[in-house]
Amino acid sequence: DQQVKQNSPSLSVQEGRISILNCDYTNSMFDYFLWYKKYPAEGPTFLISISSIKDKNEDGRFTVFLNKSAKHLSLHIVPSQPGDSAVYFCAARRKGAQKLVFGQGTRLTINP
Amino acid sequence: EADIYQTPRYLVIGTGKKITLECSQTMGHDKMYWYQQDPGMELHLIHYSYGVNSTEKGDLSSESTVSRIRTEHFPLTLESARPSHTSQYLCASSATGDSPLHFGNGTRLTVT
Repeated sequence: DQQVKQNSPSLSVQEGRISILNCDYTNSMFDYFLWYKKYPAEGPTFLISISSIKDKNEDGRFTVFLNKSAKHLSLHIVPSQPGDSAVYFCAARRKGAQKLVFGQGTRLTINP
Repeated sequence: EADIYQTPRYLVIGTGKKITLECSQTMGHDKMYWYQQDPGMELHLIHYSYGVNSTEKGDLSSESTVSRIRTEHFPLTLESARPSHTSQYLCASSATGDSPLHFGNGTRLTVT
């Protein structure tokens, strides 16, 4: 049973436009969510996180939105840049637990 | 920035061989993790450690074993490699359970 799902395997966006990556989860006990970015042949790097007590967290061009009632979170990147082309993983952690559960990833391609 | 190192980066070996994937971090983090990832799939936790002499199996069953004799070192061993072990293995560490994970660049293992 996959508890964190990223239903779009890939997304293509024009440079300068907004990229929106989506993530759904099924476990209502998750209370902390993170986004990681992964380039080929490298490990994932932490991008941004959000606690379940918030519905939005912003860091520069990156904003994460959390809709607890829908069990949905999204990552907005604006404006999108060619260096944003990578695979983005959504991850979640259950309250009191230390392990992360990851989604399958979405490959984002920014076209010039 | 996090300093966590994995060797080798790439490994091709024959069936039945014993291998050890190395992971070291220089940040003094107590918590270390091994994840396994196949292309287009989520990261699966296979082992974790919350400190020296502490190791636990993760959510995904794995035939590998780990040890944690020193804080900075968390090697993963396969006693007898099989083609089904072909995958990418990612090591990570964190300072606390609430901190984001810092990943190494991974070892891509191919068993022929």
